Amino acid sequence: QLQLQESGPGLVKPSETLSLTCTVSGGSVSSSSYYWGWIRQPPGKGLEWVGSIYYSGSTYYNPSLKSRVTISVDTSKKQFSLRVTSVSASDSAVYHCARLSGNYFPESWGQGTLVTVSS
Amino acid sequence: QSALTQPRSVSGSPGQSVTISCTGTSSDVGGYNYVSWYQQHPGKTPKLMIYDVSNRPSGVPDRFSGSKSVNTASLTISGLQAEDESDYYCASYAGSYTLLFGGGTKLIVL
Repeated sequence: QLQLQESGPGLVKPSETLSLTCTVSGGSVSSSSYYWGWIRQPPGKGLEWVGSIYYSGSTYYNPSLKSRVTISVDTSKKQFSLRVTSVSASDSAVYHCARLSGNYFPESWGQGTLVTVSS
Repeated sequence: QSALTQPRSVSGSPGQSVTISCTGTSSDVGGYNYVSWYQQHPGKTPKLMIYDVSNRPSGVPDRFSGSKSVNTASLTISGLQAEDESDYYCASYAGSYTLLFGGGTKLIVL
């Protein structure tokens, strides 16, 4: 059964870089059938797609975040990662990693990790 | 890109039917048959309920159904049960490998 687990610091200072990793078990990030992505949810608010990556390394980002976001994949470690630069309080959120079907919809989600941006 | 528009809340009594709308544009909801719906209980991970407008994943009760007309998608829950009380989010493919979510709807079972 597919499992996705996010890991990374829960507290990041303003203007610094947020870095998270998603470890995939029970499935392969090298599969040509799926995309792998990040979705965030500020406390008490709605969901926002951050971006996605294909096993080949092709990346796709939310236009509103594109200048600050990088997603990468390490197939040997069965992981994919998220970096968000120059963070501010508005980047505070629960960050979920997810497997997406054809990048059309997230079908499996990690439990999420809360990242707070504060000095 | 703007978030898809959902009502803040809807309510219904047990046994009744409720419909949650999700309004977008011809560039997202209206342009593709890739609308999905998620159920999220407080503090929990979103659960896929409907994909490709009207398809149900295995294990999702047939009380949940989806449809679309022009730029508005809908999730209908029939035979409402107490356990259906939750937040519901729609999502749509928006072209160029991008996704949009709705703002979410709180379903209240009276």
